[in-house]
Amino acid sequence: AQKVTQAQTEISVVEKEDVTLDCVYETRDTTYYLFWYKQPPSGELVFLIRRNSFDEQNEISGRYSWNFQKSTSSFNFTITASQVVDSAVYFCALMMGTSGSRLTFGEGTQLTVNP
Amino acid sequence: DSGVTQTPKHLITATGQRVTLRCSPRSGDLSVYWYQQSLDQGLQFLIQYYNGEERAKGNILERFSAQQFPDLHSELNLSSLELGDSALYFCASSGLGRGAAYNEQFFGPGTRLTVL
Repeated sequence: AQKVTQAQTEISVVEKEDVTLDCVYETRDTTYYLFWYKQPPSGELVFLIRRNSFDEQNEISGRYSWNFQKSTSSFNFTITASQVVDSAVYFCALMMGTSGSRLTFGEGTQLTVNP
Repeated sequence: DSGVTQTPKHLITATGQRVTLRCSPRSGDLSVYWYQQSLDQGLQFLIQYYNGEERAKGNILERFSAQQFPDLHSELNLSSLELGDSALYFCASSGLGRGAAYNEQFFGPGTRLTVL
């Protein structure tokens, strides 16, 4: 069975602070895919990144960076110099390599960036 | 804008009723997924269709059914509605079948269903 855990239910920071959102996953598959989605107050789900299990290279995209560590089954997301527009719920998700393309989501982390 | 459209945006109905939610995938995407987001269950996968055929099933209730039509749009039918069915229902599409096996899923804006 697969599972995604986002232990941080809510995080509140002040603008320009760096913030890291944690994601821990469980799977028995050797091939799997990890995702991050953003859900702003308007409600839509916005795709941010996909990472393959065989590629542990970290990735940076502007103020966003992701740290993938298979040894600890973690796929953490860091926002550098946070902005008010980053306020949203962030979901980590897992797609197994053997069970089709369904996404298993974590519970989400509500990030509030205060001015 | 993800390119996935869902109608209606909001739906208010009474217990015991039946509703149909509609989804149009991104142009060319063959795979459509339905997810339910509720306060107590979080975001849950319901069902997936690929080019008209059911591909995978999640925790979808027997009162719920879905189909994908030849033009690739999909409908999710919810019947004998209960208060607990109130949720945000998302449709997503991906390019599965276009040479990339596990493409990212792009989500529509969702349909907010309220059962009174």
